[in-house]
Amino acid sequence: GAGVSQSPRYKVAKRGQDVALRCDPISGHVSLFWYQQALGQGPEFLTYFQNEAQLDKSGLPSDRFFAERPEGSVSTLKIQRTQQEDSAVYLCASSSPAGSRQETQYFGPGTRLLVL
Amino acid sequence: AQSVTQLGSHVSVSEGALVLLRCNYSSSVPPYLFWYVQYPNQGLQLLLKYTTGATLVKGINGFEAEFKKSETSFHLTKPSAHMSDAAEYFCAVTLNTGGFKTIFGAGTRLFVKA
Repeated sequence: GAGVSQSPRYKVAKRGQDVALRCDPISGHVSLFWYQQALGQGPEFLTYFQNEAQLDKSGLPSDRFFAERPEGSVSTLKIQRTQQEDSAVYLCASSSPAGSRQETQYFGPGTRLLVL
Repeated sequence: AQSVTQLGSHVSVSEGALVLLRCNYSSSVPPYLFWYVQYPNQGLQLLLKYTTGATLVKGINGFEAEFKKSETSFHLTKPSAHMSDAAEYFCAVTLNTGGFKTIFGAGTRLFVKA
């Protein structure tokens, strides 16, 4: 079956622009995670959804970052007024069943964001 | 607070040699431990995980790891390296309580020499 997909794969934005990154999780997966991976670093947790509920957003670096999953499937990570330090690869992962912290996360290929 | 330390940002081995990638964690409660591999321009893929039970865990592609609570370690090993093992490897930890955050180490890039 299809894995986690993300779009766009690459995004170049001018400083101050808003961007929206999309994640399509594996069908039926109720858990969805967003991570930020800077060059040469491991993924940093941003936020977690269980169905449409955002249960953990402790990793969002500022109020410029906003994530939603209105129907419990596709998710969008929005970054407002982008800054150069936002340049990174944004990874999405999904897992099942809901709320189980020991389950394998299945990762998408990521969106590489470059802010000029 | 939980954290993950991977010793050595780069490890180089010869083909056929033992692979040892080190991971130490800190956690105030029993952790769940994971190793993921990342090939260039691809997403992370699970190699193996420890949740409960047997402390020696076997994963895909001949890799295994042992959870040692006394040493707070979860080192990844493979008896004989193959050229296809060249990739970035990440150790990660989640807790069985509290929030849903997964903490990743900074990663170790494995080079395999012919």
